[in-house]
Amino acid sequence: AQSVTQLDSHVSVSEGTPVLLRCNYSSSYSPSLFWYVQHPNKGLQLLLKYTSAATLVKGINGFEAEFKKSETSFHLTKPSAHMSDAAEYFCVVSNAGKSTFGDGTTLTVKP
Amino acid sequence: KAGVTQTPRYLIKTRGQQVTLSCSPISGHRSVSWYQQTPGQGLQFLFEYFSETQRNKGNFPGRFSGRQFSNSRSEMNVSTLELGDSALYLCASSLSGQGGYGAYNEQFFGPGTRLTVL
Repeated sequence: AQSVTQLDSHVSVSEGTPVLLRCNYSSSYSPSLFWYVQHPNKGLQLLLKYTSAATLVKGINGFEAEFKKSETSFHLTKPSAHMSDAAEYFCVVSNAGKSTFGDGTTLTVKP
Repeated sequence: KAGVTQTPRYLIKTRGQQVTLSCSPISGHRSVSWYQQTPGQGLQFLFEYFSETQRNKGNFPGRFSGRQFSNSRSEMNVSTLELGDSALYLCASSLSGQGGYGAYNEQFFGPGTRLTVL
């Protein structure tokens, strides 16, 4: 069995400040982990993925995430938020033929 | 390379009707997965097709069905529509699908079909 918990349903930051979106997971086996972003009325776009290689994963648009097995976490970060980052973000755990999505975190970026 | 396309983009139906949604994956991708997205339930996995066979299935009633053709295009059908079926239906394609233990399976999502049931 596997599950994903996104610890914050809403995160609000000011433009130019750091972003932290938190994700904890549970999986019986070594999982693959992903972060996707969804802008309003759009499909999901892959930001980055972890597949048991380097624990610090760099993605698109300046995002990165660190896989911490001891903490079962895969938090998403960005050093400096941009207005265009405002969207919904999904953490996904995938293994044994199924993908499980977190409930999503809505990121608001204030000018 | 063209992305995942879904048709139609918007659909309005009434209770009791049936509906068919279509998804064309990225060229060369053999796996197509379907998801339902609603404000209350979030993103839920419906099923995955790989090489014309349903390989994985979520916890949805039998009113939800799908199929995949030899060119990897996929259709999803919902019969006897209910108000609660109103949702954004997303299709995702990948090269090898949801794989096995430890396999990574990057999915590329289409823009979705917004279904409204009145």
